Amino acid sequence: DTGVSQNPRHKITKRGQNVTFRCDPISEHNRLYWYRQTLGQGPEFLTYFQNEAQLEKSRLLSDRFSAERPKGSFSTLEIQRTEQGDSAMYLCASSQTFGPETQYFGPGTRLLVL
Amino acid sequence: GDSVTQMEGPVTLSEEAFLTINCTYTATGYPSLFWYVQYPGEGLQLLLKATKADDKGSNKGFEATYRKETTSFHLEKGSVQVSDSAVYFCALRKGQAGTALIFGKGTTLSVSS
Repeated sequence: DTGVSQNPRHKITKRGQNVTFRCDPISEHNRLYWYRQTLGQGPEFLTYFQNEAQLEKSRLLSDRFSAERPKGSFSTLEIQRTEQGDSAMYLCASSQTFGPETQYFGPGTRLLVL
Repeated sequence: GDSVTQMEGPVTLSEEAFLTINCTYTATGYPSLFWYVQYPGEGLQLLLKATKADDKGSNKGFEATYRKETTSFHLEKGSVQVSDSAVYFCALRKGQAGTALIFGKGTTLSVSS
């Protein structure tokens, strides 16, 4: 198992464009999380899935943001009509549903909105 | 609301020095507490954790003890190495598994030889 993977690793886009990021969790993990990290800050929670069900969303997740996990495996995070304030590192994490739950993080996707 | 406060960085130490990074939290109930580390160019990695009061988490020479009376989870290492240079994040998870982690702002550690 190679851990949580995220693609792309870097994305530069112009304001107003749509972007989509992908996260592939550790294969046996049913839980998947998205976080956002801005420079000099710790990660902030965005949303959480158990299997394909989106169980929790932060108020940080505006209407322009949508996340899916259609088959309970990989997940996508889409940002519509990007704004400069969306520039950040987007982190994905996954965990098991039993035992001492530890969230394992991917390397992140760094987004720059020009 | 729930929150985590870490000491401001950067922390600059010489190799073999003693390290303490302070972390305090605000939360109701009995959160689980974590230290994550982010090495340059890499993702967040769990360093250690503690799930109840007086538990001590330890890994790679690092230790932290869950102190409910002082709502603290300070990270310590007796002798740091250059390879310990990284950003360290304290975090809490309130309630049972499946809930979000709440992170502090992170503390940058720089160790010189």
